[in-house]
Amino acid sequence: AQSVTQLGSHVSVSEGALVLLRCNYSSSVPPYLFWYVQYPNQGLQLLLKYTSAATLVKGINGFEAEFKKSETSFHLTKPSAHMSDAAEYFCAVNPMKTSYDKVIFGPGTSLSVIP
Amino acid sequence: KAGVTQTPRYLIKTRGQQVTLSCSPISGHRSVSWYQQTPGQGLQFLFEYFSETQRNKGNFPGRFSGRQFSNSRSEMNVSTLELGDSALYLCASSSPNRGTYEQYFGPGTRLTVT
Repeated sequence: AQSVTQLGSHVSVSEGALVLLRCNYSSSVPPYLFWYVQYPNQGLQLLLKYTSAATLVKGINGFEAEFKKSETSFHLTKPSAHMSDAAEYFCAVNPMKTSYDKVIFGPGTSLSVIP
Repeated sequence: KAGVTQTPRYLIKTRGQQVTLSCSPISGHRSVSWYQQTPGQGLQFLFEYFSETQRNKGNFPGRFSGRQFSNSRSEMNVSTLELGDSALYLCASSSPNRGTYEQYFGPGTRLTVT
């Protein structure tokens, strides 16, 4: 069965430090990949997406992610954490590149930013 | 362009009651999907509507139903509420014609069943 794992349910970084949130997926073919952010009491906001174009994808708020087929990974990074980055982050995979019922969301990683 | 809106934002209901949640998609988006988010199960797909037709359905009991109107607005209904239905219900709209299947989420409706 297809799956998405996010290593670390909770990650803490200091303000100004590198942010690295990990996402690994299982899929027999390169899927579409997404990162979403969720702030308290809000819905999910799309940060960035990979849809088989460039493997390094740049998103909003200074985030980027790199698709590595050999590692089946799509880790999210940001060079310098800001207090406003504190939120829940979800990696999502659409393995069939078709309908939404096939989209699998990871369990989420809660990011804390320490001043 | 206005985002996805959901009403109401918060609801408190009693076991056995029924509830209707509403979602207005981004203008021009014809696909609306519904998700249930809970701490234990995470995000789970409920169903998707496209052009007033249910196109896909997740693994939820028949108490969960939905519909879509000609203006793409969607409602979901939960009948005979159970304590376990307490969750954040998220609606997402999209334009599949773009080919990437990215979704835009609303702020959600927080349902509490007592």
